[in-house]
Amino acid sequence: GAVVSQHPSRVICKSGTSVKIECRSLDFQATTMFWYRQFPKKSLMLMATSNEGSKATYEQGVEKDKFLINHASLTLSTLTVTSAHPEDSSFYICSARSPGVETQYFGPGTRLLVL
Amino acid sequence: KNEVEQSPQNLTAQEGEFITINCSYSVGISALHWLQQHPGGGIVSLFMLSSGKKKHGRLIATINIQEKHSSLHITASHPRDSAVYICAVSSSNSGYALNFGKGTSLLVTP
Repeated sequence: GAVVSQHPSRVICKSGTSVKIECRSLDFQATTMFWYRQFPKKSLMLMATSNEGSKATYEQGVEKDKFLINHASLTLSTLTVTSAHPEDSSFYICSARSPGVETQYFGPGTRLLVL
Repeated sequence: KNEVEQSPQNLTAQEGEFITINCSYSVGISALHWLQQHPGGGIVSLFMLSSGKKKHGRLIATINIQEKHSSLHITASHPRDSAVYICAVSSSNSGYALNFGKGTSLLVTP
């Protein structure tokens, strides 16, 4: 199957700093990438849909100014958590979909801990 | 009420047992997905189906569109099958983003 990488896999940062997470499709072009978040013992929740070359679409309750998404190329989307706070500590995972295909391929995820 | 409901929430089985996990949904969909999440968090897509039945190795997934219900079966279960199994649905209305169930935590003991 298709491969999606995510970097970093784990990050610990101080409150108030910004953290950038990269999601790359390694062997296919992903016109759409999705960013999901999973709090401990909770289900995965969609944060935003990222389409190459256009602004991301955010789910209700997700602050677009806090979670900056950039999808500048067909193989890379980035999520920047700005001014991170302890309540942003979570597991962030991306998935990618190529045009005309409904199957999603997941990255390995990024575990963020904000102290 | 969640749009995607899974049962059971937790399941313990002995090695070799036949396992069934159920998923019901209440929205229109274009596809239903079964995913496997390992303890480290990584997610593997097991099946995507919009009708009928699919089989891959010891795993079988079925869907009944009229009843809005799907089942995931594991035959001859093995301890390495221990993971969280997640049902999710997608539709063109939501740009094919996944709407997840809460997952079923499966433990297979030797």
